Amino acid sequence: DAGVIQSPRHEVTEMGQEVTLRCKPISGHNSLFWYRQTMMRGLELLIYFNNNVPIDDSGMPEDRFSAKMPNASFSTLKIQPSEPRDSAVYFCASSLTGGAGNEQFFGPGTRLTVL
Amino acid sequence: AQKVTQAQTEISVVEKEDVTLDCVYETRDTTYYLFWYKQPPSGELVFLIRRNSFDEQNEISGRYSWNFQKSTSSFNFTITASQVVDSAVYFCALRGSARQLTFGSGTQLTVLP
Repeated sequence: DAGVIQSPRHEVTEMGQEVTLRCKPISGHNSLFWYRQTMMRGLELLIYFNNNVPIDDSGMPEDRFSAKMPNASFSTLKIQPSEPRDSAVYFCASSLTGGAGNEQFFGPGTRLTVL
Repeated sequence: AQKVTQAQTEISVVEKEDVTLDCVYETRDTTYYLFWYKQPPSGELVFLIRRNSFDEQNEISGRYSWNFQKSTSSFNFTITASQVVDSAVYFCALRGSARQLTFGSGTQLTVLP
């Protein structure tokens, strides 16, 4: 079975450009999570969806960040305009349901570098 | 608020040694779940184990074992007879009523040949 799929795996862009990260969760999973990993702040939850509906976006750093989940098999995280401090690894994860006990399965991550 | 503390930033052992990774957590929830994830050099996060707050039975799975002690809010992870392939960053995580997974800062384990 395919795991969580993320694209691109690496993205290098210049400050001010728009960046779109993509995620395909595991088929049948109803919850999807976006995390950011940096050396300074570790792993942080940005936003999560349950049945395609955003449930908690309190981790989204600012208005430059937006996330959508138009259907059960696709989600995007967009940064516009991007800044050097957005450089990080962005992980997408999915779980069977939103229940606290369900393990989350992570994608390989997208390493974003903003110059 | 919930918090996970992994006090050991880096651990280095020689192959075949046993190693224990510490995890201490804080939560006000009575029902919660604890997780361990492994992040090898390739970067992906791999789920290892889940424990709920009502199950303090310790578990052994091959060379891995987990010691959950609610009285001390600890959920430690031991690798027996470590191998070079065990080298990775190990994250402890907590999920309660808030539904978000709170990660510790991770412990970098290096197993030397």
